[in-house]
Amino acid sequence: EVQLLESGGGLVQPGGSLRLSCAASGFTFSSYAMSWVRQAPGKGLEWVSAISGGGGSTYYADSVKGRFTISRDNSKNTLYLQMNSLRAEDTAVYYCAKDGQWLVKGDGFDIWGQGTMVTVSS
Amino acid sequence: QLVLTQSPSASASLGASVRLTCTLSSAHSSYAIAWHQQQPETGPRYLMKLNSDGTHNRGDGIPDRFSGSSSGAERYLTISSLQSEDEADYYCQTWGTGVRVFGGGTKLTVL
Repeated sequence: EVQLLESGGGLVQPGGSLRLSCAASGFTFSSYAMSWVRQAPGKGLEWVSAISGGGGSTYYADSVKGRFTISRDNSKNTLYLQMNSLRAEDTAVYYCAKDGQWLVKGDGFDIWGQGTMVTVSS
Repeated sequence: QLVLTQSPSASASLGASVRLTCTLSSAHSSYAIAWHQQQPETGPRYLMKLNSDGTHNRGDGIPDRFSGSSSGAERYLTISSLQSEDEADYYCQTWGTGVRVFGGGTKLTVL
């Protein structure tokens, strides 16, 4: 079964850090770019970051550039999002999603995880 | 700038059809998009990829009640024979070099 499973969410103070993980199964993980998408409470979907299949190229939304780092370990079929200098406005459910075969070309996100909640509050 | 525009809300009656619209920024009118459905309290689900010529590929398990079409910069999602479980938020998504973009979403109410 094709599946993405996020973990690592929780409550963190402003200025703190958190690392999210996304375990993939059921497809050739290393052959696809992957993305992180977030959804603040009551709001729409916001793309956060993407990484190429090999991990050598990355993209970031302006709202997280310089604070978040996306990475992957293809030997473990796992995607990561390291989040530093967290702000209240980063509070959201974070989803990982399967992107296209080529980071540069992109594609529709055809597999989604169930999401993990991140709350930034003192 | 790559932008997708959606109407915030739509409504239609049980058993009827509804067409949702996603509009690409004018400079990107040839781009393909994807449609996603998000039912209350759940994560998004991929519905289909929709090309500028109107051809589309539904995701696994998506019924053919969901179809797509295109005209210029507009991309449409048509849902026929509306069911109560179709009441959800619908998002369009596109992609380019260095960026992925979502529309603001349309909340569909089934009357």
